[in-house]
Amino acid sequence: GQQLNQSPQSMFIQEGEDVSMNCTSSSIFNTWLWYKQDPGEGPVLLIALYKAGELTSNGRLTAQFGITRKDSFLNISASIPSDVGIYFCAGRSFGNEKLTFGTGTRLTIIP
Amino acid sequence: GAGVSQSPSNKVTEKGKDVELRCDPISGHTALYWYRQSLGQGLEFLIYFQGNSAPDKSGLPSDRFSAERTGGSVSTLTIQRTQQEDSAVYLCASSPTGEPQHFGDGTRLSIL
Repeated sequence: GQQLNQSPQSMFIQEGEDVSMNCTSSSIFNTWLWYKQDPGEGPVLLIALYKAGELTSNGRLTAQFGITRKDSFLNISASIPSDVGIYFCAGRSFGNEKLTFGTGTRLTIIP
Repeated sequence: GAGVSQSPSNKVTEKGKDVELRCDPISGHTALYWYRQSLGQGLEFLIYFQGNSAPDKSGLPSDRFSAERTGGSVSTLTIQRTQQEDSAVYLCASSPTGEPQHFGDGTRLSIL
């Protein structure tokens, strides 16, 4: 079945630093999604990407749909304390409504 | 509220008991999904409902797991004869067809 490799698994950064994380897939997706999950809550959608090569921003967040359709990355600029949490990529292949999730990137901000 | 609602938020039960988890999707969303999230892991797909179509049950881990969706709205996930490995957070999501999924806050299930 499809597998998503997400990296890094965890990041320890200082406030104000930029962050970059990525996901790679063993097969092609036609949709990439990025979610953030806070403790005790469900994932919240950050950015949705529908087209190969697409670059989309949401405030300080920028995500790209890789040209090969097998990868995506998420950048966070000028991190702030509320960025702490676990970030998940998720992919959906054509004609398939269920999502395949990455294993998550845990972001921690060091005081 | 306007979001996906799940109940209970926490459930502790003894091994061998049956449990029922409930999901109220966002009004008007035709698609409903169940996922399982083990500690420190990503989300594992369980089952998907779309309108009146037969559900996609391909992610259910064993025949102890079942789900139904009544009237195209509320869904119940049932786990029979629970085992300790069933301990996880069970997340429900809903969406309009083809649109990104919106998640509830999950039910944290602990099997003693």
